[in-house]
Amino acid sequence: DVKVTQSSRYLVKRTGEKVFLECVQDMDHENMFWYRQDPGLGLRLIYFSYDVKMKEKGDIPEGYSVSREKKERFSLILESASTNQTSMYLCASNIGTGDYGYTFGSGTRLTVV
Amino acid sequence: EDQVTQSPEALRLQEGESSSLNCSYTVSGLRGLFWYRQDPGKGPEFLFTLYSAGEEKEKERLKATLTKKESFLHITAPKPEDSATYLCAVRRDSTLTFGKGTMLLVSP
Repeated sequence: DVKVTQSSRYLVKRTGEKVFLECVQDMDHENMFWYRQDPGLGLRLIYFSYDVKMKEKGDIPEGYSVSREKKERFSLILESASTNQTSMYLCASNIGTGDYGYTFGSGTRLTVV
Repeated sequence: EDQVTQSPEALRLQEGESSSLNCSYTVSGLRGLFWYRQDPGKGPEFLFTLYSAGEEKEKERLKATLTKKESFLHITAPKPEDSATYLCAVRRDSTLTFGKGTMLLVSP
């Protein structure tokens, strides 16, 4: 079975901390994505990557950056965490062609205090 | 700007009571409409992709249909284990734009 693994299910961080969220996929997928999900707002795209070392801004990139040094790994970085970044973060990947359906990870629930 | 609107926001059904969820969309050049199921505290799980008006896909008690402006997810004789949030998304270039979802609760 294909898998997208997010390193942490729950994280609690302090305001101003630098936070790393890690995502690894084992499907040799080209594309990887980071979304955040908030009640009443749904899933919103933060960043995505279609190749190693390539990145594109999504709809809400402010306050975030990403890194993709290897094909299977896509990291989301909160440079200086703020309370309004408390959310569920979801990583996804897809092959980039054909059906185009995403495979999602289980999510990381981040709380910034 | 692409828009995806799902209705209702929440739906409560009795076991065996069939119903439909709606996803209306505005997108220039639809390249795929996707349905996902999401259980609490988990990531969305892929259900269906539809590409053209008139297309239908089925999986167990679920059937998805597509017109030029909307998609329906029909749930026939639902069971409590069908309780989840159902998300609809449209493909925009390299990414998907999601609706806010319909939370379905099926009571025994």
